Amino acid sequence: SYVLTQPPSVSVAPGQTASVTCGGNNIGSKSVHWYQQKPGQAPVLVVYDDSDRPSGIPERFSGSNSGNTATLTISRVEAGDEADYYCQVWDSSSDHYVFGTGTKVTVL
Amino acid sequence: EVQLVQSGAEVKKPGESLKISCKGSGYSFTTYWIGWVRQMPGKGLEWMGIIYPGDSDTRYSPSFQGQVTISADESLTTAYLQWNSLKASDTAMYYCARRGSEYFHLWGQGTLVTVSS
Repeated sequence: SYVLTQPPSVSVAPGQTASVTCGGNNIGSKSVHWYQQKPGQAPVLVVYDDSDRPSGIPERFSGSNSGNTATLTISRVEAGDEADYYCQVWDSSSDHYVFGTGTKVTVL
Repeated sequence: EVQLVQSGAEVKKPGESLKISCKGSGYSFTTYWIGWVRQMPGKGLEWMGIIYPGDSDTRYSPSFQGQVTISADESLTTAYLQWNSLKASDTAMYYCARRGSEYFHLWGQGTLVTVSS
């Protein structure tokens, strides 16, 4: 089955840029989606189709995808961005949905 | 308002059965796939399965095939996740989510299931 690997944690100072990676075999050939989950809340879609943002999501959230790594970038990080972030793809070979292992973003 | 509203928290004993629900409103219920996602305490998101309410076409993750049953009632605009015999390891938060293209863009608030003797 397809596996998505994320770093367990990323720390960033306010106002700086956080990068969360998502590794998978030839992930660049798939569409990658990102979710933000704050404690005690349901996940929220923040980036879909590699780099598109749903309405209401700040432009500070952006994404890219190439080769074996997709990246979620959070610019000008704010305290309110502290959360767990998950990448996700649809694996067409199995018709299954796969979530990454998750990354906790801590704002210092 | 477009939303998914899930049933309330449940406390069950091992071996008991359970059916939790996810009611969609504000949109055409039969034209969007609804998925179920498990989150065990302190852990990540796991896709369990997905159903198309329009014709009840259902797919399961291999990890959950045979362990749970996903169904939907078009007339009630509600999707369900059920267990015939719960285990302590089923203790988790369960989310339903509406699928957009290949992603989940609308989530329910979650249902906490606790299984303990």
